This record gives sequence, C-alpha cells and structure tokens, in this order.
Amino acid sequence: GENVEQHPSTLSVQEGDSAVIKCTYSDSASNYFPWYKQELGKGPQLIIDIRSNVGEKKDQRIAVTLNKTAKHFSLHITETQPEDSAVYFCAASPGGSYIPTFGRGTSLIVHP
Amino acid sequence: DAGVIQSPRHEVTEMGQEVTLRCKPISGHDYLFWYRQTMMRGLELLIYFNNNVPIDDSGMPEDRFSAKMPNASFSTLKIQPSEPRDSAVYFCASTDRGETEAFFGQGTRLTVV
Repeated sequence: GENVEQHPSTLSVQEGDSAVIKCTYSDSASNYFPWYKQELGKGPQLIIDIRSNVGEKKDQRIAVTLNKTAKHFSLHITETQPEDSAVYFCAASPGGSYIPTFGRGTSLIVHP
Repeated sequence: DAGVIQSPRHEVTEMGQEVTLRCKPISGHDYLFWYRQTMMRGLELLIYFNNNVPIDDSGMPEDRFSAKMPNASFSTLKIQPSEPRDSAVYFCASTDRGETEAFFGQGTRLTVV
C-alpha cells in the first residue's frame, strides 16, 4: 500500500517568514495529493490540492509543488500569519483508489 | 448542507462499556470513511464504505470494533468492550468520488477510563 512520510513534525516560525512542509510517497501510481489544515478542536479541512499532471499550484499565500520523479511534494506558505498556526497534513491517493493515505502531520506555530 | 455531522462530540466511558459513535455524511456523497487520530499514530483509516457497503476494513484494530452503514445518511462505529487504549479522536469523513476532497466532521473525542 501507499506510505506517506511528512517532515518536519513541528515547525516554528516568526510572523512574516515562509514555512515549508515536505512529504514523500511510495506508490508511483498516486496521482492526487491534497493538503489539509486542522485547527484545534476541528476536523481537517482541505486547503489546496494538486494532481499528477501539474507541477505547481498556487492560491494566494499557499503553493504546492510536485516532483513525480522523486515522489515528493511540498507545501509552501509565504508571509505567515498567527492564524496559520495549525496542524497540516499531506495525503496521497493512488489512481483508481478512493483511500487517501495521510502523513503524520506538521504542527506549525507562527509567533507574532 | 451542514457538512459531516458527528455525535457525540465528547464521550467519557468506563473500561468494558460499549461505545457507539455516530456520523451523518454530506447528502449525495457515496464514500464514507472512519478515521482515528492519536498523537502516536496520526490519522489512521479504520474502514470505508462505498454506497453503504463496507469496502475495506483492514484498518479496524480488533474485533471489538465494528462499523455499519444502514443507509446513505447514517453510519455508526461501535467499540465493545472499550479499553483505555481506545482513547482517541474519531473522525468521520465523506466524499462524492475518489481523488477529490474529503470532508471531515468535527470528530468525537473518546476517553476510556
């Protein structure tokens, strides 16, 4: 089955700095890569996703990059704000599978 | 739509008791997932349903865990008997098809004492 590794487990930055979270996956058949944000006491919520036919995708301060050859994808948050503080999960879904496999999560702390 | 609705939000029970967690998926979604979240293991998929039929329950940790989906708008996850190591946050999620966004409920925080 698919295996997703996520690093770092904790990331602490100053407000205004950039934050980068990296994930690797094992199944070359994976072609859908969503990122979820989980705020305290809530369920994970999708913030951005990318499919294997795209190398990069941006949405305001958030961007995701995908390198299928190396089987890794990353989340980039620029100009971080305190409200970005949360746990972020990456996931991968093999083609034809409806089961997203999640990484272990990254706790992002943005200090004012 | 109100999103995925889970109940209860919090459950505290004594070891050995039966616990039933409930989930109402988003109307029209064909897939329903049950996840367990712990610090040690992160988000683990326990079981998922497609059109009310269990497809993969390989993540269910033990026979003490069972899940049902009697109709398209309701699912339950039951633990009988419960043990302290079952303490975790349990999430239900639904999606209308594969390779798209999964919508999560608020979760049920289970504490077994």
